[in-house]
Amino acid sequence: DAGVIQSPRHEVTEMGQEVTLRCKPISGHNSLFWYRQTMMRGLELLIYFNNNVPIDDSGMPEDRFSAKMPNASFSTLKIQPSEPRDSAVYFCASTSAGTYVRGYTFGSGTRLTVV
Amino acid sequence: AQSVTQPDIHITVSEGASLELRCNYSYGATPYLFWYVQSPGQGLQLLLKYFSGDTLVQGIKGFEAEFKRSQSSFNLRKPSVHWSDAAEYFCAVGAGLTGGGNKLTFGTGTQLKVEL
Repeated sequence: DAGVIQSPRHEVTEMGQEVTLRCKPISGHNSLFWYRQTMMRGLELLIYFNNNVPIDDSGMPEDRFSAKMPNASFSTLKIQPSEPRDSAVYFCASTSAGTYVRGYTFGSGTRLTVV
Repeated sequence: AQSVTQPDIHITVSEGASLELRCNYSYGATPYLFWYVQSPGQGLQLLLKYFSGDTLVQGIKGFEAEFKRSQSSFNLRKPSVHWSDAAEYFCAVGAGLTGGGNKLTFGTGTQLKVEL
């Protein structure tokens, strides 16, 4: 099992540019979560999906952020336009809905720097 | 709404010494509780979890945690710390499956430094 795969590992972009982060969950997992980690705010849940359907997006900071899960094996988090305050590490995690008690499996994260 | 408090931002211990990391949670019903560890540049790895039953749970890497309902706590312990345990530790709480799906709320983390 390759685990949760995120790409890219690092992204440096200029303010105003569009950024797309990608996540491939573990095969068979049908819940997917996007978290953002910063020194100031710790780990924040941005959005999560069950069976490809967004369940709770209350953590998405503003309309510049959007997330999609077109199928069970792929999700994207897009920021358009990006701003320096979006600089953070973005984690994707997955689990099996109904059995999340096993805990999430996290990807290695994408470190985003907006200059 | 569920919440987690980790009162210690940084902790330094000597190698071989015992360790206790504090975690307090807020949730109206019986919570699902987790401890995760994050090494630099890595994602979070599950150390252990509590759902029901025995209030002392064992995890990987020699860690254990005790659920104390009266204190709303789930402290993480290790009898003898190794230098490789230096990392950031996160406590998390989840609602039951009928109480909010499978969303976990994380604490702000405790950075552990181990002195040789």
